[in-house]
Amino acid sequence: AAGVIQSPRHLIKEKRETATLKCYPIPRHDTVYWYQQGPGQDPQFLISFYEKMQSDKGSIPDRFSAQQFSDYHSELNMSSLELGDSALYFCASSLGAARETQYFGPGTRLLVL
Amino acid sequence: QKEVEQNSGPLSVPEGAIASLNCTYSDRGSQSFFWYRQYSGKSPELIMFIYSNGDKEDGRFTAQLNKASQYVSLLIRDSQPSDSATYLCAADQGAQKLVFGQGTRLTINP
Repeated sequence: AAGVIQSPRHLIKEKRETATLKCYPIPRHDTVYWYQQGPGQDPQFLISFYEKMQSDKGSIPDRFSAQQFSDYHSELNMSSLELGDSALYFCASSLGAARETQYFGPGTRLLVL
Repeated sequence: QKEVEQNSGPLSVPEGAIASLNCTYSDRGSQSFFWYRQYSGKSPELIMFIYSNGDKEDGRFTAQLNKASQYVSLLIRDSQPSDSATYLCAADQGAQKLVFGQGTRLTINP
């Protein structure tokens, strides 16, 4: 079965640079979620989109923005990168917006030098 | 205090035994609860979800939910070395967000 696709899988950036992470949800899934997982930590919710509209917001820095496109894929844009942004970034998708099971992608490992 | 609490372990269980993982949550508004398995450096993989009080069984896995006690557990029967991983308990917070516990590291000893 098709899963959530994320690209790139690995990304190395320098401080103050920008990065764009992409997420392609499971076919027919209309809701996308972004999570950040630091080393040894649990995933922290950043933001979610349902039917191309932002549906919930968590601990996402103002330097980050995200959107969901007409084909339901989503992009997380990160600017003025800091060392502390180094983490695994997971995208998850679900069918429907309310308390539905979320399926996680393989993640993008971001390293900021 | 975290909204979802788990014992971080490590929890060591002999192969073939039952592994018992526990989780408590503080938001009484949470309605859906999930157990994810995560291998080091990999993404969380859904094991089970539970919405109703009581037990839910799926193969070697049984999830238990007690809303009055705000307690969720996962039992793994006939533990295998491949079950060695970090197990994340998650609760929904509002309609969209999942809040995770810090995870329990489980090691199955052959």
